[in-house]
Amino acid sequence: EAQVTQNPRYLITVTGKKLTVTCSQNMNHEYMSWYRQDPGLGLRQIYYSMNVEVTDKGDVPEGYKVSRKEKRNFPLILESPSPNQTSLYFCASSLGRGLGQPQHFGDGTRLSIL
Amino acid sequence: QQQVKQSPQSLIVQKGGISIINCAYENTAFDYFPWYQQFPGKGPALLIAIRPDVSEKKEGRFTISFNKSAKQFSLHIMDSQPGDSATYFCAARTYNFNKFYFGSGTKLNVKP
Repeated sequence: EAQVTQNPRYLITVTGKKLTVTCSQNMNHEYMSWYRQDPGLGLRQIYYSMNVEVTDKGDVPEGYKVSRKEKRNFPLILESPSPNQTSLYFCASSLGRGLGQPQHFGDGTRLSIL
Repeated sequence: QQQVKQSPQSLIVQKGGISIINCAYENTAFDYFPWYQQFPGKGPALLIAIRPDVSEKKEGRFTISFNKSAKQFSLHIMDSQPGDSATYFCAARTYNFNKFYFGSGTKLNVKP
């Protein structure tokens, strides 16, 4: 089944403790992206990657890191999490930037940072 | 500052009625305008999308109307059903950077 898989789905942690949210897709997609969803703000793009070893900042990259060493994986790293990073996070992927190539989203990771 | 402004925040419609959600933007570099549907506990899923050189696109009960000069676009859901109850997001993309900007979302409740 074609899917985008995020882990963990839920995490409660404390300020300053490094964490990684993994994202993996099995559709051989070139484009991958991370978003955070907050009430009243919709989804905001954190980072995106056009292909392996190619990443770029989205609208709200501060406090986050990403890497794209393999095509299928795009982990999101919070080196020193803070309470304002408490949010619902989504990973998405698409074949490329063509208009007929929609983004497929994972089911989300709910992060609570105390 | 939100690059795509969406309204209303919430919407209640009777079964069989028409649901209308509106979005507005300023950036003329946007080249692709998708709408996403999100159910609780799930990620958004693409519903329908339009390019700025097209004024209307229809897929089943879902229609996007696009007004390039006014920089506005809207989603119309005809014959709304309780199963359409979800949160809807409009979005816009810049081609050069393939960056996406989402509206703040509309929670639709279709009453049986």
